[in-house]
Amino acid sequence: QKEVEQNSGPLSVPEGAIASLNCTYSDRGSQSFFWYRQYSGKSPELIMFIYSNGDKEDGRFTAQLNKASQYVSLLIRDSQPSDSATYLCAVNVNRDDKIIFGKGTRLHILP
Amino acid sequence: ETGVTQSPTHLIKTRGQQVTLRCSSQSGHNTVSWYQQALGQGPQFIFQYYREEENGRGNFPPRFSGLQFPNYSSELNVNALELDDSALYLCASSLGASGGSDEQFFGPGTRLTVL
Repeated sequence: QKEVEQNSGPLSVPEGAIASLNCTYSDRGSQSFFWYRQYSGKSPELIMFIYSNGDKEDGRFTAQLNKASQYVSLLIRDSQPSDSATYLCAVNVNRDDKIIFGKGTRLHILP
Repeated sequence: ETGVTQSPTHLIKTRGQQVTLRCSSQSGHNTVSWYQQALGQGPQFIFQYYREEENGRGNFPPRFSGLQFPNYSSELNVNALELDDSALYLCASSLGASGGSDEQFFGPGTRLTVL
C-alpha cells in the first residue's frame, strides 16, 4: 500500500517566521513530488514540484527532497497570514500521473 | 486560474440516485484525473483518462465510472449513491508524463451532498 504521511497539525507560526512542513512517503520508487495549497472550501493549488534530490526555490517557497530518507519538505519564508491554509503533499510513484496525496497539514500564521 | 472548469458547483442528491459531474480540461491536456476529497482528508484518486481511454483506477467500486471526450471535456458518473459519497469531487488535467509533464491542475470542484 503506497502511503504519504503528513502531520495534520495545526502548525502555528508567527508572521514573518519560517514555516516548515514535512512529508514522508512509503514507496522508494517514487519519482515526482508536489506541494499543493488548499484554502478552506477551495480546490488544491499547485505551488511547488520537485523531481531531484536537493533544494528547489521559488520565491518564498523552498522544496527539499531526500530520496534516501523518503522525505520531502516545504519551507515558507517570511510567513504571511495569507499563507494560512492546508498544505497537501503529493507523490507520483511511477510518473504515470496516479498521484497519491497525504491528508494535509493545517498551517496557521499568527499575526 | 488553472483553466480547468467543473459543473455544477454544488449538488444535492438522495441515496440511490445517480449523478453526473462534468469537467473541462485545459486545451491540449490529454490526461484528466478525478479525485474524491472527504472533509478533513486528502484527495483520493478515483480514475484517470488519457485520450479517451481509462488509464488507471483507484480503490473505488464500479458504480463510479467516467468518460473523456475529444474536446477535452470529461464526466464522472456515480450510480446508486450512498451517504458516504458526500464529498468534494475534483478533476485535474495535465499533459501527462508522456507529454513531458505530470503536474496536475485542479478545477474548482463539485460539492456533492447525498441525503
